[in-house]
Order: sequence, then structure tokens, then C-alpha cells
Amino acid sequence: AQTVTQSQPEMSVQEAETVTLSCTYDTSESDYYLFWYKQPPSRQMILVIRQEAYKQQNATENRFSVNFQKAAKSFSLKISDSQLGDAAMYFCAYRRGQGAQKLVFGQGTRLTINP
Amino acid sequence: EAQVTQNPRYLITVTGKKLTVTCSQNMNHEYMSWYRQDPGLGLRQIYYSMNVEVTDKGDVPEGYKVSRKEKRNFPLILESPSPNQTSLYFCASSLRVYFPYGYTFGSGTRLTVV
Repeated sequence: AQTVTQSQPEMSVQEAETVTLSCTYDTSESDYYLFWYKQPPSRQMILVIRQEAYKQQNATENRFSVNFQKAAKSFSLKISDSQLGDAAMYFCAYRRGQGAQKLVFGQGTRLTINP
Repeated sequence: EAQVTQNPRYLITVTGKKLTVTCSQNMNHEYMSWYRQDPGLGLRQIYYSMNVEVTDKGDVPEGYKVSRKEKRNFPLILESPSPNQTSLYFCASSLRVYFPYGYTFGSGTRLTVV
């Protein structure tokens, strides 16, 4: 079974600094997708960024970028120029390509932004 | 506005009293799913539905029931709730089960069983 591990239960960063959240996953599949979701205090699950496993280029979305290391099965999220609104729980998630019936989530990392 | 609507947002109930959490989407999505979120465990899938009248168990289905009589609705039923079902519940949907994008989530239901 696929598993996703986020080894950092909590992280903190100074406003305007850069922070990296770690995620590793275990799979024997070659076709899959990886996601980072943000959950602010409102509880809404917001898709931050996604990565297709077949793409070598790392995905970027404005201040958010990923470091996708397929061989190492690592998928870290980098947030640049951290803002107070980035404070949230962040979840890494995996989805198999074909035949997938679910997202597999990591345990989550709570990110605090210090002003 | 395209969205997944869950109700209620908060619910406190007593052990054994049947309850239903509703979920409705207005995007004509085929795939719908229920997750529960617990501290230190992330989100785990309870049930999912690939289309109308097609449902199947996820990773933690014990104590839950679902139905999919209409494409837009996917209610979660707890026939006899117990305290270990106290959790944050999310409904999610996707255009198709193999759709390469992430899911659209509802805003969550905080359930407390006393």
C-alpha cells in the first residue's frame, strides 16, 4: 500500500523568509500524482500545487515551488517570502495514476509564521 | 459558484443516535468521497463513489454507511455513533475518478459524539 510521511509535525518561519516542508512517499507505481494542500483555520482544504510523476520539471505556483526527487521518493514544498496568510496546516498527498480511487495523505505539518 | 456543500458544519450528538451528514456538489462530478481527519493521522478515506449507485469502502469504513442515489448527493450516515467517531469529516468530489487534478473539498463537518 502507498504511504505518505511528513516527518515535521510543526514548523515555524519568520515573515518574509523561506521555509521548506518535507514529504516522502512509498510506492511501486511509475504513474502517479503528488499534491500539497493547505488547510487554514477556516478548515477549507485548498490545493496549493500538484506534480505529475512523469514530469521532470518541478512545479511552481507563484511563491510556492516543489523539489520533486523521484528516485528518492521525496516531494518537498518551498514557500518563499512567507506571509502571515501562509500560516496553516499543510498536507502532502499522493494519488496513483490509473485505477486510483483515493488520495493518500500524510500526517500534516503545522506552519507558523512569526511577524 | 462551483462548490461542494456539507451540512452541518458542527454537530454534537450522543452515543447511539443516528445521524446523517449531507454532501452536495453542483459540478456534475462523477466521483465523490468521504474522509475523516484526525490529529497525527492526516485524512483517511471512509467511502467513495465512482458514479450513481456505485459505492465502495475506503480504508476506515466501519460504523459508516453511504448512498449515491443522485449524482449530486453523497450523504454519510452513522447508524449508531460512538465516541471514536468524533472527528473532522470532509466530503470531496472530482470530475472523474481518474481526473489528474486534485479533489474539490467541502468545508468540513466537526462531529463530537459524547
